Amino acid sequence: GENVEQHPSTLSVQEGDSAVIKCTYSDSASNYFPWYKQELGKRPQLIIDIRSNVGEKKDQRIAVTLNKTAKHFSLHITETQPEDSAVYFCASLSGTYKYIFGTGTRLKVLA
Amino acid sequence: GAVVSQHPSRVICKSGTSVKIECRSLDFQATTMFWYRQFPKKSLMLMATSNEGSKATYEQGVEKDKFLINHASLTLSTLTVTSAHPEDSSFYICSARNRGRDEKLFFGSGTQLSVL
Repeated sequence: GENVEQHPSTLSVQEGDSAVIKCTYSDSASNYFPWYKQELGKRPQLIIDIRSNVGEKKDQRIAVTLNKTAKHFSLHITETQPEDSAVYFCASLSGTYKYIFGTGTRLKVLA
Repeated sequence: GAVVSQHPSRVICKSGTSVKIECRSLDFQATTMFWYRQFPKKSLMLMATSNEGSKATYEQGVEKDKFLINHASLTLSTLTVTSAHPEDSSFYICSARNRGRDEKLFFGSGTQLSVL
């Protein structure tokens, strides 16, 4: 079945450095790729998303890139801050409503 | 922005009792809602897709008689954990998609279920 692989599972960076999280999806028909941030005990919050007709999208310190040929998409966080520490999930939308989530990346930003 | 409300946030119950969790879309209509289970430090495991006015679609391995889902209106879906046992203890979280709009998925705040 469809799946989304996410790497790394944990990531520690120094404050001010960049963080990159990568995902690979299996269903070539997937057309929508959101990223969620989840703090401990809280709900996942949508932070950025990208559709398959776009290669890159940026929102302040956060950017997402999509390589449809390789079926890869990545989250880039620049100038990281301690409040960026959280678990990040990627997802792909397969069909009209089947969202497949990655396994999550625990990001720690060290002050 | 779209808001999804989930209640209760935390429930502790005795083994054998049933627990109902509500998921409401507050400012939009949601034809489809999703129920997930999340173990500590793990990803979101889709349990079922709740469709307004019809039967829910359960994922493989999820017992439909154990986890009853009702989606009676465009703004409310409920998950009832029947005859709960300690192994049902988990974080349950719902999400909803805005009907007729885009693909964005919004999550409820989750329910921490502890079965004694």
